Amino acid sequence: GQNIDQPTEMTATEGAIVQINCTYQTSGFNGLFWYQQHAGEAPTFLSYNVLDGLEEKGRFSSFLSRSKGYSYLLLKELQMKDSASYLCAVVQGEYKLSFGAGTTVTVRA
Amino acid sequence: IAGITQAPTSQILAAGRRMTLRCTQDMRHNAMYWYRQDLGLGLRLIHYSNTAGTTGKGEVPDGYSVSRANTDDFPLTLASAVPSQTSVYFCASSGTSGGPDTQYFGPGTRLTVL
Repeated sequence: GQNIDQPTEMTATEGAIVQINCTYQTSGFNGLFWYQQHAGEAPTFLSYNVLDGLEEKGRFSSFLSRSKGYSYLLLKELQMKDSASYLCAVVQGEYKLSFGAGTTVTVRA
Repeated sequence: IAGITQAPTSQILAAGRRMTLRCTQDMRHNAMYWYRQDLGLGLRLIHYSNTAGTTGKGEVPDGYSVSRANTDDFPLTLASAVPSQTSVYFCASSGTSGGPDTQYFGPGTRLTVL
């Protein structure tokens, strides 16, 4: 089985940095995805980590520590359009994703 | 390129009725998935298919069935809908490269069972 935890809500100011943590306990770990989901829309891919370390992609970065069962998504230079839910998903085996409940980020002017 | 389409966009259904949610992808992805999303619970896998002709059970399969007659289509059927199946349903697909691959999601179907 798997247990994936992430904070329910976070609020930050436009232009700031926010870090969303995700901890997991799972068997057969095979990588971790982060997805963004705007209200009423489908999740869209942000990042994938399978090795320890930091993956940077523009304003978004994702970090993984497999030994600690821990990942974070870092959002820099926050913009209003970054207000959304951010979903942490652990890969079990080759195909199956197990999702956390998501973190709703609200960006304020 | 449409990606993944789902139909209907939303539906209100009487309890006990049969309902099929449709999902079609045009990316020639081998793997397809059905999730339901409920407030506070996140996305939960209902059924999946690794390739045409095969299906498997996810985390919450009871009350649902799927078929995969070809690569493009992956319908989800509720044989006799119950109010607890009120949810937003997302279909997703991914290519296969011998390992985990990014899943791409359809726009979702909002289903209300009364």
